[in-house]
Amino acid sequence: GAVVSQHPSWVICKSGTSVKIECRSLDFQATTMFWYRQFPKQSLMLMATSNEGSKATYEQGVEKDKFLINHASLTLSTLTVTSAHPEDSSFYICSANGGTINEQFFGPGTRLTVL
Amino acid sequence: GQQVMQIPQYQHVQEGEDFTTYCNSSTTLSNIQWYKQRPGGHPVFLIQLVKSGEVKKQKRLTFQFGEAKKNSSLHITATQTTDVGTYFCAENTGTASKLTFGTGTRLQVTL
Repeated sequence: GAVVSQHPSWVICKSGTSVKIECRSLDFQATTMFWYRQFPKQSLMLMATSNEGSKATYEQGVEKDKFLINHASLTLSTLTVTSAHPEDSSFYICSANGGTINEQFFGPGTRLTVL
Repeated sequence: GQQVMQIPQYQHVQEGEDFTTYCNSSTTLSNIQWYKQRPGGHPVFLIQLVKSGEVKKQKRLTFQFGEAKKNSSLHITATQTTDVGTYFCAENTGTASKLTFGTGTRLQVTL
């Protein structure tokens, strides 16, 4: 199946700093990628849809100025958490549609801890 | 907005027992996908159901889509420790193929 990678797998940062997370489709091209956030023992919440060559589409309640998304190529989308605060600590996962029946392939996730 | 609830939230079974998780929507679903997330891991696609009343099997796993397309179930026969994880149902919608996830059912299997 299609492979999606994420980097870094975990990051610890100080409050007020910015953190960039990369999501890559390794063996296929993805015009659309998705960013999710998952808190412990909870479901995945879609944050935004990343569109190659155009602006991301954010879900209701997600601050676009805080979670900057850039989809500069068909294999790379980045999520930057700006001015991170402890409440932003979470598991961030990206995905892309890579199959014939619109199944999504997920990256391994990035665990962000903001001190 | 649409809510997709799953029950139970958590189930602990002994190896060899059966397990079922139910997915219920307040609105008609265009399709239902099932994903499995191992502890510390990421969701992995299991299957998609599209037709009313559809039933699909994968070895010990049986997936059903309700006649009204508002509910779905995943049944595991004779659970094994490798079945441990959280099972999510999700609807794939729109031209962008967005996923709306259910609340998930966490399965624990002990010997």
